[in-house]
Amino acid sequence: KNQVEQSPQSLIILEGKNCTLQCNYTVSPFSNLRWYKQDTGRGPVSLTIMTFSENTKSNGRYTATLDADTKQSSLHITASQLSDSASYICVVSGPMDSNYQLIWGAGTKLIIKP
Amino acid sequence: DSGVTQTPKHLITATGQRVTLRCSPRSGDLSVYWYQQSLDQGLQFLIQYYNGEERAKGNILERFSAQQFPDLHSELNLSSLELGDSALYFCASSPTGTSQETQYFGPGTRLLVL
Repeated sequence: KNQVEQSPQSLIILEGKNCTLQCNYTVSPFSNLRWYKQDTGRGPVSLTIMTFSENTKSNGRYTATLDADTKQSSLHITASQLSDSASYICVVSGPMDSNYQLIWGAGTKLIIKP
Repeated sequence: DSGVTQTPKHLITATGQRVTLRCSPRSGDLSVYWYQQSLDQGLQFLIQYYNGEERAKGNILERFSAQQFPDLHSELNLSSLELGDSALYFCASSPTGTSQETQYFGPGTRLLVL
């Protein structure tokens, strides 16, 4: 069964610290993996997208890594800021066709404390 | 601002009633997606349209229906509402609706069923 599992479910860190969020998936075949940021009550916003041939992708203080062999991805946030408080969602895509699969993880809720 | 608009922002109604949520995609985008997000839950994909035609269907109840019009705006109809239908409903759009594309989300419609 195609699944995306994220850990931890929630995380609290102090402002300025780094953190890493994990995403494990069983989607096969695999096309690409995205990380979205969702502020409370708002729509998700794309942070990064990686295909199976990419190992890392950065967007400012956000760096995503992908290991397609172990089917694992991580999102590393550097020098966290209060505005980073949000849910971070891992989304994995199946193959590109007219009935593609898009599997959404449940998200990791990140809270940054001053 | 993603360029995706949704109306209304808030909706309060009673059980058994019917409501219609509206979405206008970004200029140029042909594909529209609908998602449901219950309180503190992950996003649940409901349905996708591409240029007026249904392309993919997720966990959409039979009481729910959607359509995309020739001007590309979309409506999600929810009928025989139940308390459990209270949720945030998001619309997203992308250019051609393939798994390679980023989806751009609207601000959502918050539905409360009393």
